Amino acid sequence: DVKVTQSSRYLVKRTGEKVFLECVQDMDHENMFWYRQDPGLGLRLIYFSYDVKMKEKGDIPEGYSVSREKKERFSLILESASTNQTSMYLCASSWTLSNQPQHFGDGTRLSIL
Amino acid sequence: RKEVEQDPGPFNVPEGATVAFNCTYSNSASQSFFWYRQDCRKEPKLLMSVYSSGNEDGRFTAQLNRASQYISLLIRDSKLSDSATYLCVVPSGNTPLVFGKGTRLSVIA
Repeated sequence: DVKVTQSSRYLVKRTGEKVFLECVQDMDHENMFWYRQDPGLGLRLIYFSYDVKMKEKGDIPEGYSVSREKKERFSLILESASTNQTSMYLCASSWTLSNQPQHFGDGTRLSIL
Repeated sequence: RKEVEQDPGPFNVPEGATVAFNCTYSNSASQSFFWYRQDCRKEPKLLMSVYSSGNEDGRFTAQLNRASQYISLLIRDSKLSDSATYLCVVPSGNTPLVFGKGTRLSVIA
C-alpha cells in the first residue's frame, strides 16, 4: 500500500514567518504534487515535481516555493506566510504525471495568524 | 469551457436509494479517468479507475461516454457511510490530473 506522510496534521504560524511543509512517500514514485484546498474552490495545484531537483509551477504558485532534493521527499515552503495562505495543504504522489491515480497524504491544516 | 465540471449538489437521498453523478470534461484525448471519495476534513481517496467504457465494484459503477465526453458514477443501495464528496478526475495531456470540485452526497436514514 502506498504511504504518503505529511509532517504535521495541524500547524499554527504567524504572519511573515517562513513555513516548511514536508511530505515523504515510500513507493519510489517519480511524481509528487502540492495542493491547497479551500471551501468552494476545490483542489488547486501549487507546484509539482516529476524528478529529483525538477519542479514545475501549478495553477497558484505565487507566495510558495518547493524543494525536491531526494526522490521520496517534496517540501513546500511559504517564504513569508500571509493570512490568505490559511488552508488545508495536501501532498500527493503518483507513478506517472497523468495516467495513474495520485495517492494523498493526510493533509496539513495550516493557520496563519 | 472548464476542463472538468461537476454538479456541486448536495444530493440528499434516503438509505437504499440509487444515485448517479455526472462529470463532463473538455479534453477529448483523455484516456483514463478516476473517481475519488473525500470525507469531511480528510484527504481524497481513490474510489475507482475508469480506463475503458466502464468499471463496476460492488454497489459502485462508473461509466464513460467518450462521444458526449462525460463520466458517471452510480451508487446502488446507498448506505449512510456513503455520505461524502465525490471528485471526478480527468487527465489533461502531459500535465497533471485535473480534479473536479466535487459533488456532495448526503445519505439520510
